[in-house]
Amino acid sequence: AQTVTQSQPEMSVQEAETVTLSCTYDTSESDYYLFWYKQPPSRQMILVIRQEAYKQQNATENRFSVNFQKAAKSFSLKISDSQLGDAAMYFCAYRGSYSGAGSYQLTFGKGTKLSVIP
Amino acid sequence: EADIYQTPRYLVIGTGKKITLECSQTMGHDKMYWYQQDPGMELHLIHYSYGVNSTEKGDLSSESTVSRIRTEHFPLTLESARPSHTSQYLCASSDSGWGNSPLHFGNGTRLTVT
Repeated sequence: AQTVTQSQPEMSVQEAETVTLSCTYDTSESDYYLFWYKQPPSRQMILVIRQEAYKQQNATENRFSVNFQKAAKSFSLKISDSQLGDAAMYFCAYRGSYSGAGSYQLTFGKGTKLSVIP
Repeated sequence: EADIYQTPRYLVIGTGKKITLECSQTMGHDKMYWYQQDPGMELHLIHYSYGVNSTEKGDLSSESTVSRIRTEHFPLTLESARPSHTSQYLCASSDSGWGNSPLHFGNGTRLTVT
């Protein structure tokens, strides 16, 4: 079974600075999909960014970017120019590509709590 | 702005009560999911559905049951609530597109069983 590991239970960053959240995963598949989700306190979980494993180019969404290292099975999230609204739990998630019954399920990491210091 | 709705937002009930957590989505998604989020914030899949009249149990054993009679509606029922059921329950949906289709989450129901 695939596993997703987020080794940093908590992180903090000064407002306007850059922070990187780490994520590693274990899989025997060659094609798969990776996601970062954000869950603000008492609010809805939303998608931050996603990456297809067959794409070599790292995904970017405004201030959010990833460093995808397929060989190392690493998928870190970089947040630039951190803002107070970035404070949240961040979850890394994996989805395999095979067409079996579980192909649309996500496997989540345990999350990293990010605090932004004014 | 949520296209997937969960009610109630908060619920406090006594042991032994039967409860139903509601989840509805307006996006026409085939796939729907229920996750249990423990106090440490870890997410556990407890039920999922790939379409009407299709339901499956997830990775985490749960005493709850689900039904999928309509595409937009995926309620979760606890026949007899216990304190061990105290948790946050998140409903999600996704379309039938490619594997990079994201999950869309509701706001969650925070359940407390006394």
